[in-house]
Amino acid sequence: IAGITQAPTSQILAAGRRMTLRCTQDMRHNAMYWYRQDLGLGLRLIHYSNTAGTTGKGEVPDGYSVSRANTDDFPLTLASAVPSQTSVYFCASSRQGAGNEQFFGPGTRLTVL
Amino acid sequence: GENVEQHPSTLSVQEGDSAVIKCTYSDSASNYFPWYKQELGKRPQLIIDIRSNVGEKKDQRIAVTLNKTAKHFSLHITETQPEDSAVYFCAAIVRGSYIPTFGRGTSLIVHP
Repeated sequence: IAGITQAPTSQILAAGRRMTLRCTQDMRHNAMYWYRQDLGLGLRLIHYSNTAGTTGKGEVPDGYSVSRANTDDFPLTLASAVPSQTSVYFCASSRQGAGNEQFFGPGTRLTVL
Repeated sequence: GENVEQHPSTLSVQEGDSAVIKCTYSDSASNYFPWYKQELGKRPQLIIDIRSNVGEKKDQRIAVTLNKTAKHFSLHITETQPEDSAVYFCAAIVRGSYIPTFGRGTSLIVHP
């Protein structure tokens, strides 16, 4: 894979539907993150994972859940999508330890109608 | 928690001019300050970073300065080119953490 990937690239979703955004990295990074990007608001952290088996809440976690069953994968689930979750979602990873570069995935553009 | 303010939100310059983007942070325990560039429709990518034990770092046409006393850091781009047009994000990470706090971004437009 060589890096970090996300799927799908884009998705249109009816409100109330469940959706899982996928994120996979092959860099053996311990830490992974999910951000949403909205115009004028920058990158806002939704959830993060320090290492496999652990997760934590970011700035805007409501309506989202994550799991980290292994090092490579970090899926983000919207249990019941709402229009305010329309956004571009970026997954990122970094080596464990403070002060390390984040590597971002290509993003998923999600529209909730 | 950490708070990062970034200014300006939009910056328009002529090709060849210099551009400066400024960020302030609130937590004196922050010790790592990366800058990311995001071209239209693309992912953010690190362009330069600085740690609290240095005051300035350069990489060709870009440089970052850090003033720990005033708690602000700046990105300087000299001899701007159209391909520098992008959104730039600053961030700060508190010592011992691995979660950056991002500024809201600066949209840099370089006119040919």
